[in-house]
Amino acid sequence: LAKTTQPISMDSYEGQEVNITCSHNNIATNDYITWYQQFPSQGPRFIIQGYKTKVTNEVASLFIPADRKSSTLSLPRVSLSDTAVYYCLVGRLYYGGSQGNLIFGKGTKLSVKP
Amino acid sequence: GAGVSQTPSNKVTEKGKYVELRCDPISGHTALYWYRQSLGQGPEFLIYFQGTGAADDSGLPNDRFFAVRPEGSVSTLKIQRTERGDSAVYLCASSLSPGGDYEQYFGPGTRLTVT
Repeated sequence: LAKTTQPISMDSYEGQEVNITCSHNNIATNDYITWYQQFPSQGPRFIIQGYKTKVTNEVASLFIPADRKSSTLSLPRVSLSDTAVYYCLVGRLYYGGSQGNLIFGKGTKLSVKP
Repeated sequence: GAGVSQTPSNKVTEKGKYVELRCDPISGHTALYWYRQSLGQGPEFLIYFQGTGAADDSGLPNDRFFAVRPEGSVSTLKIQRTERGDSAVYLCASSLSPGGDYEQYFGPGTRLTVT
């Protein structure tokens, strides 16, 4: 599975748009890009997933360029409650065997200030 | 509906003791995963089940760790002869099907402290 690299930490203010970029240079054809959010003392929570181009849901957008070697999670108008650790992961389509697990890095610790 | 639940939420044990951690996945989810998370680190994969069988146990650190899922639902992670280095939060997740294109739903974790 492709290794991911993302900034260790980011600071922002309430109401700003936050963009967190993740690099995954060795991504394979059948890999999906997924972002999870984790609050202290809780398990990670799925935010968004994509394969290519742009994906948008009610909480975030995910931008993936044509070469898929990086991706950017965009959080519009963050609030204090968006303070959390954000993980970028690359996961493989399942064809049987060992592709089911996810490989987490250290994530990006986002701090939103008033 | 009910999410993934884990019991106990906290477990303190003495070095050398045996512990069992339980995970109740979301009903109907065939894939179940165990992760371990140390302070300041991301979750580290341990083992995952597809149905009753362990499809990948490559993340188990040594033979003191073992997990079962006998009926394809509830899973138990078992740790023998616990060591202080085993102290961490143990997370369980389930998904409708294995694979990177399926969302994993995580439980709140069990915080294990080995004294």
